[in-house]
Amino acid sequence: QVQLQESGPGQVRPSETLSLTCTVSGGSIHTGSYYWSWIRQPPGKGLEWISYVYYTGITNYNPALRGRVTTSIDTSKNQFYLRLTSVTAADTAVYYCVRDVSLPSYNWFDPWGQGTLVTVSS
Amino acid sequence: QSALTQPASVSGSPGQSVTISCTVTISDLAYNPVSWYQQHPNKAPKLMIFDVINRPSGISSRFSGSKSGNTASLTISGLQPEDEAEYYCSSHTGTGSRVFGGGTKLTVL
Repeated sequence: QVQLQESGPGQVRPSETLSLTCTVSGGSIHTGSYYWSWIRQPPGKGLEWISYVYYTGITNYNPALRGRVTTSIDTSKNQFYLRLTSVTAADTAVYYCVRDVSLPSYNWFDPWGQGTLVTVSS
Repeated sequence: QSALTQPASVSGSPGQSVTISCTVTISDLAYNPVSWYQQHPNKAPKLMIFDVINRPSGISSRFSGSKSGNTASLTISGLQPEDEAEYYCSSHTGTGSRVFGGGTKLTVL
């Protein structure tokens, strides 16, 4: 079964760039019915979708973060990536990578990575 | 205000049924199916219902989804202590952006 695992620094300084990697195992990232999403959750708060990437490189971003976020994919490594620039304390959150099952009229998220806490602090 | 509105909290006693609502507040989401997620503290969310009414393999039949008008609902019957968790609904807009409701804290009394 497919599993996802986030990796990256647990702490980032304000104004710098947050970079995370998601490694997919147990299945190919090069699959037509799936997008690959990033979702975050600030401490004590709800879920916020950040972005998705398709195996072709097509992306879509949360309008609230557009301009600061970039998502990319490397099918040869079965990995996808998140870059978030000019971070502030408001970007402190648990970041999840998730398989985004997407068909023309509906989508759902399954499975989820375990999540990684990224703290923005000097 | 989120495009998907959920009650902040619901509660019920063991064995009872509870329903959590998810109301679409913008027309762009009106016809797009909802999925539901359960999240226990310090755990990743888990898919419970997709495409309004469907349960993934391994999810108890005590969990069911429905929709009426612009409101989707998650019903949990025969409440058990382990059902105490945060529940989120999710959908997507016409431009493909994904959105979540604000979450509902379920307390099993």
